[in-house]
Amino acid sequence: EVQLVQSGAEVKKPGESLKISCLASGYNFTNYWIAWVRQMPGKGLEWMGFIYPGDSDSRYSPSFQGQVTISVDNSISTAYLQWSSLKASDTAIYYCARLLPDWVLPNWGQGTLVIVSS
Amino acid sequence: QSVLTQPPSVSAAPGQKVTISCSGSSSNMRSNFISWYQQLPGTAPKLLIYDNKKRPSGIPDRFSGSKSGTSATLDITGLQTGDEADYYCATWDRSLSAGGFGGGTKVTVL
Repeated sequence: EVQLVQSGAEVKKPGESLKISCLASGYNFTNYWIAWVRQMPGKGLEWMGFIYPGDSDSRYSPSFQGQVTISVDNSISTAYLQWSSLKASDTAIYYCARLLPDWVLPNWGQGTLVIVSS
Repeated sequence: QSVLTQPPSVSAAPGQKVTISCSGSSSNMRSNFISWYQQLPGTAPKLLIYDNKKRPSGIPDRFSGSKSGTSATLDITGLQTGDEADYYCATWDRSLSAGGFGGGTKVTVL
């Protein structure tokens, strides 16, 4: 069974850095892209970017380019989403998802709530 | 601003049918497959429909999808109270070189 388990909720201050994780199991991690999706409070889903663990090729949506970094550690089948300097507007739930051809997301993590507040 | 356009809400009585529309453009929907996701309150999204009209195993045939040109629809028949959720369409946008979601449609069972 494919599972994506994300790290727990975070409360941070503006300007702080953060790295959240997504642990994959039940499939060959290096063979499938992993996508990250943002959901701000009370709002819809936004595609942030995705990474291919096989060669760490990462792509970002224009709105998120330069704002976050997506990475992987294949030795522990884990994908990461990180910020170097958080803003209050980064407050959201962040989901990782396995990405199949034809832009299908059949498996999702449970989400990580990130709260940025002074 | 979402890449795809959906109505904010639709509603119907139990047992009835609702149709959710999803409108795109030539840079996304015309040349790419559409998928649909259901998000129940407080939970992660769940894949309902992929490749325009295919259902993953375990998804009842009350849910069906179709696509024509730059528009797609999700039909839910035999509406149940458990179908109250937000529904999102999604595809790839060639001009943005990024995936995109619709703004989401809230389904209310009256």
